[in-house]
Amino acid sequence: ETGVTQTPRHLVMGMTNKKSLKCEQHLGHNAMYWYKQSAKKPLELMFVYNFKEQTENNSVPSRFSPECPNSSHLFLHLHTLQPEDSALYLCASSQDGGNYEQYFGPGTRLTVT
Amino acid sequence: AQSVTQLDSQVPVFEEAPVELRCNYSSSVSVYLFWYVQYPNQGLQLLLKYLSGSTLVESINGFEAEFNKSQTSFHLRKPSVHISDTAEYFCAVSESGGYQKVTFGTGTKLQVIP
Repeated sequence: ETGVTQTPRHLVMGMTNKKSLKCEQHLGHNAMYWYKQSAKKPLELMFVYNFKEQTENNSVPSRFSPECPNSSHLFLHLHTLQPEDSALYLCASSQDGGNYEQYFGPGTRLTVT
Repeated sequence: AQSVTQLDSQVPVFEEAPVELRCNYSSSVSVYLFWYVQYPNQGLQLLLKYLSGSTLVESINGFEAEFNKSQTSFHLRKPSVHISDTAEYFCAVSESGGYQKVTFGTGTKLQVIP
């Protein structure tokens, strides 16, 4: 595997379910990100991890819980979501620093019913 | 705080015609600028970036963008588009100084018409 991978690619869950999204990067980067992409809205940065430490939480509701056990893996734990949380969730990684481009995974298409 | 504006949500253009996708940014400090492309059912991919030096930057597939500090713009151009260029294009900005926070625009869907 190369680049940034995300599983699952599609997920349908009820509002009372608990599920997790997984992201793995094989690029040796030390920063990882979760974004939410909704139709007709800007890409929303949710969380940033740098060397496994969370450095950004962009006022995300507590029903989204990130976990970064090491620099290569990032999880997004989901519980009691709302229908408006349906979106494409993108994971990205980069080297440290704003001048480095981010490498994105293909995303998880989440539908909350 | 930094911000990015992409005024055009959709741009239809005939194959082999030129195209310009507009991007304006706002920041109180020096910036790095990026264009990303997203093909259907895929994540975003870097198309080109401006960090410093020459204000005109090019991609390997014929796109170019010019950093204009006075107009705070970073418009993306291609002299002749192909069907395969149909995708959504995102302009992004990050502030120089070592922090990774990147702000993305709302995206422009380029529709190339045969």
